[in-house]
Amino acid sequence: KQEVTQIPAALSVPEGENLVLNCSFTDSAIYNLQWFRQDPGKGLTSLLLIQSSQREQTSGRLNASLDKSSGRSTLYIAASQPGDSATYLCAGFTGANSKLTFGKGITLSVRP
Amino acid sequence: NAGVTQTPKFRILKIGQSMTLQCTQDMNHNYMYWYRQDPGMGLKLIYYSVGAGITDKGEVPNGYNVSRSTTEDFPLRLELAAPSQTSVYFCASHREWNTEAFFGQGTRLTVV
Repeated sequence: KQEVTQIPAALSVPEGENLVLNCSFTDSAIYNLQWFRQDPGKGLTSLLLIQSSQREQTSGRLNASLDKSSGRSTLYIAASQPGDSATYLCAGFTGANSKLTFGKGITLSVRP
Repeated sequence: NAGVTQTPKFRILKIGQSMTLQCTQDMNHNYMYWYRQDPGMGLKLIYYSVGAGITDKGEVPNGYNVSRSTTEDFPLRLELAAPSQTSVYFCASHREWNTEAFFGQGTRLTVV
């Protein structure tokens, strides 16, 4: 059974800082891993999807990496801005007839 | 494309009432999911489907039922609503195991 963990649960940083959000998973037979953003009272918005054959994906100031052997994915946010304040969730997909398994998320606050 | 559409956005139910939360997607996605999200508890999977005519239980299926008679629709039925079912419900979908997942905007349900 795949389990996904995100620690810490909350993070506060000053504006302009580069930061890394961590995601750990227990089953290395993961097919892909996806990072999402959730603003308060809203649904989840997809940020990046990394396939198991890939090591990383980039979109603007975001870079996500996947290391299956260590069971870890990281989301790197460069030059953080107050608008980046949100909850960031990662989800792994394991098996063709399987399902998305989510971590509990990291609530990020970027202080002006 | 409308993406993943959930209706209603808000609903108040009395204990013992029943209702159906609607979810439809126009992207020809095979995989569809229902999650509930409670404060500080992350997303919990209720039911999921890997294609029309196929459904399977997630972590917290008790008190809910689903059907998947078409590719587009994946309604979630609550029978005999209980206060413990007060939550925000999210529907999600993706086409294949290696493709990006998309979420609806959620249904906020209160049972009183």
